[in-house]
Amino acid sequence: AQKVTQAQTEISVVEKEDVTLDCVYETRDTTYYLFWYKQPPSGELVFLIRRNSFDEQNEISGRYSWNFQKSTSSFNFTITASQVVDSAVYFCALSESNTGKLIFGQGTTLQVKP
Amino acid sequence: NAGVTQTPKFRVLKTGQSMTLLCAQDMNHEYMYWYRQDPGMGLRLIHYSVGEGTTAKGEVPDGYNVSRLKKQNFLLGLESAAPSQTSVYFCASSYSGTSNQPQHFGDGTRLSIL
Repeated sequence: AQKVTQAQTEISVVEKEDVTLDCVYETRDTTYYLFWYKQPPSGELVFLIRRNSFDEQNEISGRYSWNFQKSTSSFNFTITASQVVDSAVYFCALSESNTGKLIFGQGTTLQVKP
Repeated sequence: NAGVTQTPKFRVLKTGQSMTLLCAQDMNHEYMYWYRQDPGMGLRLIHYSVGEGTTAKGEVPDGYNVSRLKKQNFLLGLESAAPSQTSVYFCASSYSGTSNQPQHFGDGTRLSIL
């Protein structure tokens, strides 16, 4: 069965600290995609990144970076020099290959304190 | 920049009442999805549609019905609302069902069943 686990329910950091959000997945598909979404307090879901199973290169976008390790089935998300505006719930998701259905993790609530 | 629009945004129902949630997208996407979000459980797929006139069950379909009579609209119905259906409902759409397509989400509908 396909599954996504975000073991960290809540994380609290002080502004400017670096923080890593963990994501571990299970799938039998050989080709699959992983996603991260952000849900700020206003409630909408914002797409952050997509990564396919054949591309294990790390990706950096500004203060955000993602580390995909197929060997450990992990797709971790790091925010460098966190800011209060980063406070949100972050979801990791795995896409089912035939239908595009997303299997979400439970989400990690990040609180960045000033 | 409408994207995915959900109506209504909030609704309170009494047990046993019925209602329909409307999702409309203006991106000419083929695939549409309904999720529910409950605390600590991430988002779970209720039903989805791979094109006009088609629907399929997701992970938690019981108590819900859907229809996709027009490509741009995906309706979610509750025939006899129950308190267990109190949740935040998200509609999403994607260009195709291939797993590399990010889903675009609406802003959500907060539904309370008393």
